Amino acid sequence: DAKTTQPPSMDCAEGRAANLPCNHSTISGNEYVYWYRQIHSQGPQYIIHGLKNNETNEMASLIITEDRKSSTLILPHATLRDTAVYYCIVRVDYGQNFVFGPGTRLSVLP
Amino acid sequence: GAGVSQSPRYKVAKRGQDVALRCDPISGHVSLFWYQQALGQGPEFLTYFQNEAQLDKSGLPSDRFFAERPEGSVSTLKIQRTQQEDSAVYLCASSSPPGAKNIQYFGAGTRLSVL
Repeated sequence: DAKTTQPPSMDCAEGRAANLPCNHSTISGNEYVYWYRQIHSQGPQYIIHGLKNNETNEMASLIITEDRKSSTLILPHATLRDTAVYYCIVRVDYGQNFVFGPGTRLSVLP
Repeated sequence: GAGVSQSPRYKVAKRGQDVALRCDPISGHVSLFWYQQALGQGPEFLTYFQNEAQLDKSGLPSDRFFAERPEGSVSTLKIQRTQQEDSAVYLCASSSPPGAKNIQYFGAGTRLSVL
């Protein structure tokens, strides 16, 4: 079973920030938080991951709470192309398979 | 190309037919994963290779499913005597060499429809 819980769906207005929450209250000290997204008819796409510090790249920012029990993925200026299912996954960095939950279906509205 | 390539993109099989799905990982990636994704659900792990060695096949749903990677590069997922419940998207992923950040890169998948 997935070790994370996410809301099943969210809406966001185009051009606004999309903030996607994830709870991972049983995360272990050596487990990272990974975010992937899956656009319709495509394979999952890596977005970002982190251990305990906040991370930012060209796609998104990842904010992890100090107790590491939850995190938020931030898409700073959502576009229609960001409409997708977003998966939050916890895993040791050199582990094997990912365990995907149902994710959050983000709809970016014009 | 630079990404993970899967073929065919779509496969229609009659129940009882055998199918073979191919995955070309990113060059130099030693780890390769197969996942099964049913409609409306997240991907579920099937099996994992490191080079040619199949280190984990705990997710294969039955002995009708078989995967191989004989030369540590291209992999084939074979399903024998297909059943309707095998209808799904089959995803392949490869990851960067050991010692680097273990990000998995996914192909677009093969959509299998068993009639």
